[in-house]
Amino acid sequence: AQTVTQSQPEMSVQEAETVTLSCTYDTSESDYYLFWYKQPPSRQMILVIRQEAYKQQNATENRFSVNFQKAAKSFSLKISDSQLGDAAMYFCACVGGADGLTFGKGTHLIIQP
Amino acid sequence: DTGVSQNPRHKITKRGQNVTFRCDPISEHNRLYWYRQTLGQGPEFLTYFQNEAQLEKSRLLSDRFSAERPKGSFSTLEIQRTEQGDSAMYLCASSATTPTQYFGPGTRLLVL
Repeated sequence: AQTVTQSQPEMSVQEAETVTLSCTYDTSESDYYLFWYKQPPSRQMILVIRQEAYKQQNATENRFSVNFQKAAKSFSLKISDSQLGDAAMYFCACVGGADGLTFGKGTHLIIQP
Repeated sequence: DTGVSQNPRHKITKRGQNVTFRCDPISEHNRLYWYRQTLGQGPEFLTYFQNEAQLEKSRLLSDRFSAERPKGSFSTLEIQRTEQGDSAMYLCASSATTPTQYFGPGTRLLVL
């Protein structure tokens, strides 16, 4: 079983600036995966980035990167050069194996032009 | 690859009626998942299939909820005797052999 906590209900950032979204998790699995998903208003959930727990190297996808601290059970998302299209709800999620994802409550990201 | 599709996209029903939602996964994805998302919350896992086998159903919300995937392709989620508390977005996702799940657009249910 997993629990995922996102302690920032809302974050705001100026366009072109960098923002970091926080996530902590807990799991009884030894082999698990962590994800960040983006959900724009009234649109579908989109995968942003994925991290395998057994990999020490932090995942990176273009302007999106994670800071994975396994011992601290922390998995934050950094968005560089924020763009207006990044405005959305961001969800952190955890899964062990083929089971269903456990999501946090989400962080609403606002991009100020 | 056309992505995960869900139908209908919106459903309005009266309390006590039965509703059925359909999900078509990405072709060749053998795993299919159902989630419920209420306003202001993250999705909540309900059940999943590997091919036609339902491998987890203990988290279905009540015995009014049931799901099928008869031929290992599309899946249906049925809610019997709907209640106002069932109003939510119902999401479907699929995956291949990795844990990465890809989501459909969801079906928004409103129970009056």
